[in-house]
Amino acid sequence: AQTVTQSQPEMSVQEAETVTLSCTYDTSESDYYLFWYKQPPSRQMILVIRQEAYKQQNATENRFSVNFQKAAKSFSLKISDSQLGDAAMYFCAYDYGGATNKLIFGTGTLLAVQP
Amino acid sequence: EAGVTQFPSHSVIEKGQTVTLRCDPISGHDNLYWYRRVMGKEIKFLLHFVKESKQDESGMPNNRFLAERTGGTYSTLKVQPAELEDSGVYFCASSQDTRKVRPSGRARYNEQFFGPGTRLTVL
Repeated sequence: AQTVTQSQPEMSVQEAETVTLSCTYDTSESDYYLFWYKQPPSRQMILVIRQEAYKQQNATENRFSVNFQKAAKSFSLKISDSQLGDAAMYFCAYDYGGATNKLIFGTGTLLAVQP
Repeated sequence: EAGVTQFPSHSVIEKGQTVTLRCDPISGHDNLYWYRRVMGKEIKFLLHFVKESKQDESGMPNNRFLAERTGGTYSTLKVQPAELEDSGVYFCASSQDTRKVRPSGRARYNEQFFGPGTRLTVL
């Protein structure tokens, strides 16, 4: 069965600094998608970044980038130049690409940004 | 364009009562999903509608949960009777039309847009 593990329940970073959130997953599939979602307090979850497993190049979206290590089944999120608005719960998620498109999530990492 | 909306935002009920959660997907989205997050745990898939049909309900915990999507628009998730372990945040998500398949046989990416969730507390 596919699983997603986020081993850091909480993280803290100083404004303007860089932080890395960890995520590992387990799957026997070779072609799948990985995502990082952000849920600010009392607001809806939004997609931050996605990675397609068949692409070797790490995805980047402005200050957000991932380190995708397929063999190690690791998918970490790096946030550069952290801003106060980055404070949120971050969820790592996996989609094996089946017909139903359902997502498998980790338990989340609560990120605090210190001014 | 309006996003996915959910109602109510919070619900507090007593064990044994019935609660109905509602989700309005983005207009034109055929796919609608329900997920649940129990306190401190992962977000878990409950079920998936394609229009008004249930595509996958493998995540539904038991027969106390009933989801409907009449007419393929909004969806309701009813819990009857509610138990203490049903407490959590219920998320709804929607995505556009039928997933297309790549030459590899795998489905193409189809972004899910999430609602703000309904926090259910069963006392």
